[in-house]
Formats: sequence, C-alpha cells, structure tokens
Amino acid sequence: QVQLQESGPGLVKPSETLSLTCTVSGGSISSYYWTWIRQPPGKGLEWIGYIYYGGISNYHPSLKSRVTISVDTSKNQFSLKLTSVTAADTAVYYCARRDKLGAVWDWGQGTLVTVSS
Amino acid sequence: QSALTQPASVSGSPGQSITISCTGTSSDVGSYSLVSWYQQHPGKAPKLMICEVSKRPSGVSDRFSGSKSGNTASLTISGLQAEDEADYYCCSYGGSSTSVFGTGTKVTVL
Repeated sequence: QVQLQESGPGLVKPSETLSLTCTVSGGSISSYYWTWIRQPPGKGLEWIGYIYYGGISNYHPSLKSRVTISVDTSKNQFSLKLTSVTAADTAVYYCARRDKLGAVWDWGQGTLVTVSS
Repeated sequence: QSALTQPASVSGSPGQSITISCTGTSSDVGSYSLVSWYQQHPGKAPKLMICEVSKRPSGVSDRFSGSKSGNTASLTISGLQAEDEADYYCCSYGGSSTSVFGTGTKVTVL
C-alpha cells in the first residue's frame, strides 16, 4: 500500500490554471498507474484521467482539452493541470493509484480547490 | 460519457441484506467485467470494496459481494451493520481507456 498526498493552492481565480501535485511514498511511481478524481461539494465522484509512468495517459472526454497529467519520476510525484477553470471546477481533488484494469486501490486524503475571484 | 445510474438511497435494518444497482450501457458495464465499488464515509476518501465485478480486496469483509448481469452491476451488503452507513459508488471501464463513475448511493442503517 502506497501513501499519497495532494498539494497545491486551495483557491484559484476563474480563467486561470489549477495546478496540483501528488507526492507518492511507500512505492515507486514507475511501477503503477496514477489517476486524478474529483468530487464537487455534495456531489459524486468524477474521473479526470490517468497516467502510466512511461507516458501513456488518457483523460475524461469532457475535460480532455483542458487537462494535462504528468509524472516526475525523480521526485516520485505526478501532477494535474486544468486550464481555464470556472466555478464548476470547484471540488475536492483526489490523487490515487489505480491498477491496469481501472480499480483504484490507494487514495490521497483529497484537497479542496475553490474557483472564485 | 454519462455517469452510471445508481439509486440515490437505500436503507435497511441491522442484520438485513441490501443491494445497490449500477446501470450502464452496452458500451461500459455491459461490455467489460471491469466494475469496481467504493465506500465513502463523510469527509473521507473512498475505499475500494470490490474490483473486477466480484473480487474482494484483502481486508474487506465477506459481507460485501458483487455481481453483474447485462448492463447492470450490483453490490450486496449482507448482515448490515451500523458501520456500513456511507455513500457507495460504482465505477466501470468506459472504453477507449476511460473510466466512468456511478451517481452514488447513500446507504442508511435504520
């Protein structure tokens, strides 16, 4: 079981870029698939996308034009960038480890990002 | 890609069994045996309860079981306990290397 910790600004202005980093401990980032999932306040989970350390990635169709997930193996971290944010992007953002078949085994505690001026 | 459909709420008395449905389409649930279920207590991160439709991760109580028929997957909780009160989400492979979550179900133990 690996441990994951999200970090980044809790407040982002509309039209700006949301940037979050997930630090992985207890395991190598080069060994698994990594994913970002978000949950608007009081609502359900939404899959954002995933990356495999070799560079293979994929994103939710509705977010594809605004999302980039990247990996930094030297720091054992992976990151999320979401551009042109609006209030609809306000959510708790979770980083997590998933397996090749899509099951999400380990989760970070989540970080609330609010989009507001 | 639309969210999978789950009932908003399900309730049961301690000791009873309840079943949560998760309905998708022939493009996701119906085509792949890649459905997972997650339990989420208030203010906490979700926890994996079932993967690949019916496999239970180590440490998950055998009171939790999963199944699938056609475009609908199901999670059954038997011997309902107070600690099972939480939100539950299904998730399926959605084709083209995507995943799709269900709308979520609030389980209440009466």
